[in-house]
Amino acid sequence: AQSVTQLGSHVSVSEGALVLLRCNYSSSVPPYLFWYVQYPNQGLQLLLKYTSAATLVKGINGFEAEFKKSETSFHLTKPSAHMSDAAEYFCAVSSYSSASKIIFGSGTRLSIRP
Amino acid sequence: EPEVTQTPSHQVTQMGQEVILHCVPISNHLYFYWYRQILGQKVEFLVSFYNNEISEKSEIFDDQFSVERPDGSNFTLKIRSTKLEDSAMYFCASSPEMEAANSPLHFGNGTRLTVT
Repeated sequence: AQSVTQLGSHVSVSEGALVLLRCNYSSSVPPYLFWYVQYPNQGLQLLLKYTSAATLVKGINGFEAEFKKSETSFHLTKPSAHMSDAAEYFCAVSSYSSASKIIFGSGTRLSIRP
Repeated sequence: EPEVTQTPSHQVTQMGQEVILHCVPISNHLYFYWYRQILGQKVEFLVSFYNNEISEKSEIFDDQFSVERPDGSNFTLKIRSTKLEDSAMYFCASSPEMEAANSPLHFGNGTRLTVT
């Protein structure tokens, strides 16, 4: 079985500060890992994905995430937060053996303080 | 850019009633999905669909649920007899391939279902 755990249901940072959203995964097979973002009243949009190539993955809007197998982590970071980054962020996992099913974490709401 | 379209955006129904949620996936996509998100909780996988049959389904997707692709463009989720706990945001998604590594899901904006 696969799962992801997102630490912190709500993270608040100041504009211009570092954004760090934490995600740990559990998978008995090599995982595919994703970060999705959900803006208010919208669907989920893919930010970035890890699929066994480079461990540091760059996504849209200046976000990146690093796959660390030893820590079973896939934390999302952005060097400098912008007001437009305020949204809900979901970490997700799937694998080659279950490619049609993506398992999402519980989400982290990111707030940006002026 | 092509979008996944869901209608209605909000559906209110009484407990025990049947409800059908509608989705129009991106036209050249072959794989279709339904997810739901109960308020304040995680996004949960319900079902995936390919070639006019269910590929995979979760424990949530019991006999009260069914999916259908009635024509070349629509993909529907039917709940036969709604319960209060079915109240959630339901997301439709599609992808051109099954392989998640190559083909991320494209999500619609969701239908908020309220069962009273």
